Amino acid sequence: QKEVEQDPGPLSVPEGAIVSLNCTYSNSAFQYFMWYRQYSRKGPELLMYTYSSGNKEDGRFTAQVDKSSKYISLFIRDSQPSDSATYLCALGGGSTLGRLYFGRGTQLTVWP
Amino acid sequence: DGGITQSPKYLFRKEGQNVTLSCEQNLNHDAMYWYRQDPGQGLRLIYYSQIVNDFQKGDIAEGYSVSREKKESFPLTVTSAQKNPTAFYLCASKTGDNEKLFFGSGTQLSVL
Repeated sequence: QKEVEQDPGPLSVPEGAIVSLNCTYSNSAFQYFMWYRQYSRKGPELLMYTYSSGNKEDGRFTAQVDKSSKYISLFIRDSQPSDSATYLCALGGGSTLGRLYFGRGTQLTVWP
Repeated sequence: DGGITQSPKYLFRKEGQNVTLSCEQNLNHDAMYWYRQDPGQGLRLIYYSQIVNDFQKGDIAEGYSVSREKKESFPLTVTSAQKNPTAFYLCASKTGDNEKLFFGSGTQLSVL
């Protein structure tokens, strides 16, 4: 079983839609939960960073962590064509301190 | 202007040749990482270094080598033993205070 599972998509939505992206994980020791956005042939950029559980909101983006279900989510409200990218979840902490485990990434297209 | 600089942006390798990918950071980060990204595969860890003159193998270290002689620099050599080197290579770094990983812009390596 992989440490982190993420549906690769692709996901295609109209502009203005609410997007939900998800990852599941197996290591209950993970404490750090991140979402990265990667445009084609660019380096990933950190979008959301959460320590432990709960929700975090930043503008149109909301990250949720449910440690009991080992499930994390990223919601994008009022999606824009500029949100079209690949979104990667990344988890770490506990005995894996110093390295992160990444999901495969979900490719998102927002069409006007 | 702080950041992580990867060079070259594109690199071509002939069969039997070793090539070196450069990664330099001026963020004063202690830890540096090399990832390989194949289409639809997510990020796979090759090597990482948490302090100067020390590094650890990641999940796919065979056919690669690294050095960490200076805090700012973490070059990756793709040796002739790596039979399938075509991929997008990403360098990353972070401080010791948290797990936020920052990425360079990547190097696309292709085989001639």
